[in-house]
Amino acid sequence: DVKVTQSSRYLVKRTGEKVFLECVQDMDHENMFWYRQDPGLGLRLIYFSYDVKMKEKGDIPEGYSVSREKKERFSLILESASTNQTSMYLCASSPHSGRAYNEQFFGPGTRLTVL
Amino acid sequence: AQRVTQPEKLLSVFKGAPVELKCNYSYSGSPELFWYVQYSRQRLQLLLRHISRESIKGFTADLNKGETSFHLKKPFAQEEDSAMYYCALFSGGYQKVTFGTGTKLQVIP
Repeated sequence: DVKVTQSSRYLVKRTGEKVFLECVQDMDHENMFWYRQDPGLGLRLIYFSYDVKMKEKGDIPEGYSVSREKKERFSLILESASTNQTSMYLCASSPHSGRAYNEQFFGPGTRLTVL
Repeated sequence: AQRVTQPEKLLSVFKGAPVELKCNYSYSGSPELFWYVQYSRQRLQLLLRHISRESIKGFTADLNKGETSFHLKKPFAQEEDSAMYYCALFSGGYQKVTFGTGTKLQVIP
């Protein structure tokens, strides 16, 4: 059973703070993703990674960075948190198999509030 | 660029009534379409994909390339169907998908 875990369910930070959101998967998946989920806007891809130390920008990368030093771990970093980054953040992982789509498995989410 | 449109933010139906969650897409190639679902206090999970042509929990979805649609249907809604539903499109590459804005389905007892 695939398990994707996120370090916190709820997080409250202040404007300007550096924020780390951690995601760990235990199924040896090559691909990992960070999304933000906002009412009326759906899921929007922030960054994804298809291998260790590899990263690609998604649709809304501004204000975020990522790190993937180990295959099982994918970190999302808010260098200087702002109130418009208050959101639910979802991590996901999937195996890689050429051009065919593989189901993404999601974590429980981290609800981040920036005051 | 690909786009997925779910025109309804909220869909309320009575238990036992038919359900149709609308999804339209724009993509110049040959897409793969999916429906993901998120039940209350649960993780987002894959419900079904068009290439499987299967029925999951009574739901079906047919890809209509002429109308560029992938509507999710169920003949008789159940209370446990209440959830957030997202339509998603995969266009190839690094497993990146484009999600729609989601439709909240509320089944009234």
